[in-house]
Amino acid sequence: GENVEQHPSTLSVQEGDSAVIKCTYSDSASNYFPWYKQELGKGPQLIIDIRSNVGEKKDQRIAVTLNKTAKHFSLHITETQPEDSAVYFCAAFGQGAGTALIFGKGTTLSVSS
Amino acid sequence: DTAVSQTPKYLVTQMGNDKSIKCEQNLGHDTMYWYKQDSKKFLKIMFSYNNKELIINETVPNRFSPKSPDKAHLNLHINSLELGDSAVYFCASSQRGNGYTFGSGTRLTVV
Repeated sequence: GENVEQHPSTLSVQEGDSAVIKCTYSDSASNYFPWYKQELGKGPQLIIDIRSNVGEKKDQRIAVTLNKTAKHFSLHITETQPEDSAVYFCAAFGQGAGTALIFGKGTTLSVSS
Repeated sequence: DTAVSQTPKYLVTQMGNDKSIKCEQNLGHDTMYWYKQDSKKFLKIMFSYNNKELIINETVPNRFSPKSPDKAHLNLHINSLELGDSAVYFCASSQRGNGYTFGSGTRLTVV
């Protein structure tokens, strides 16, 4: 089955800096890669996703890149703000029935002002 | 509001008790899930239901049983609760192949 590795586990940046979180996946059949943000006491919220037919996707200060050959995908947050502080999860989703999103172990991002 | 709602938000109970967590989605999604989040924040899939059919059942003890009366509801029943069951349980829904919408979680504490 799918296995998703996520790094780093914690990340501290100054306000205005960029933050990058990286993930690798094991199943070459996986074709959907979402990123979730979880704030304290809340459920994970989808912030951006990318499918395997696209190499990069951007939404304002957030971008995701995908390298299918290397089975890597990354989240890039530019001009970080204190409200970006949260736990971020990457996930991968394979094909076929009986599959579900498999999550990385999360990255705790702290943005200090 | 369109959402995934789960109740209760907090649940404190003694070992050996039986408890249920309810989940409802009004998004019209065809698949619902239960995830367990442990103290290290790791999200692990427990079950999913698609059109009232269980399609995933990971290595979860059979004390846990999902029940889906219809495609908008997926409840989680837990028998003979153990200390190790303490965690946050999240319900989620999706339309197959798309991102999930999560509920706000149920923090279960077994004492």
